[in-house]
Amino acid sequence: DIQMTQSPSTLSASVGDRVTITCRASQSISSWLAWYQQKPGKAPKLLIYKASSLESGVPSRFSGSGSGTEFTLTISSLQPDDFATYYCQQYNSYPTFGGGTKVEIK
Amino acid sequence: QLQLQESGPGLVKPSETLSLTCTVSGDSISSSSSFWGWIRQPPGKGLEWIGSIYYSGSTYYNPSLKNQFTISVDTSKNQFSLKLSSVTAADTAVYFCARHLKLGSPFDSWGQGTLVTVSS
Repeated sequence: DIQMTQSPSTLSASVGDRVTITCRASQSISSWLAWYQQKPGKAPKLLIYKASSLESGVPSRFSGSGSGTEFTLTISSLQPDDFATYYCQQYNSYPTFGGGTKVEIK
Repeated sequence: QLQLQESGPGLVKPSETLSLTCTVSGDSISSSSSFWGWIRQPPGKGLEWIGSIYYSGSTYYNPSLKNQFTISVDTSKNQFSLKLSSVTAADTAVYFCARHLKLGSPFDSWGQGTLVTVSS
């Protein structure tokens, strides 16, 4: 199976900061990668698909990049609503998720 | 607007069978070309895909999990279900149902999730 590794596991940041989260795949997944945001007690919400395509309704401060085995999620200017846990997920083969990155208030 | 809602017991005894149902509204399982999946999340941990089903009944399971899961669909009720036999404490988790448009596509709509605790 394809292992997904996210870093960092926790990130402390302030409102207005530029934030970058990295996701690495154990083998090439082309661009078959999604990013989700999850808040406590809620279901994950799809933010980005196909590595860099923004899901409808998602603010443009979120962006994704990468291909092959290395991917990044960037939040250009962190907003109060963005403090959450973020997961990457590959769908090149049967779905697997990264371990998550918690973005907390600095 | 598509909505998914999980239902089932919140407490199951070890070695018994867990049964959950996901009711879909706002879309027809039988007329949609979508796939319908189950994902679980142990408390404080990450997400794990269990398996998915197509309206025809074709099923796809996570090969990394033991073959104790069964997913089925009832198009007349617009529902799909998950059964897990011989549960242990390790199966304690929030169970989500979700839709993906293709087998190889992300999960674009999710249920709110239901916590299942395995305990005697």
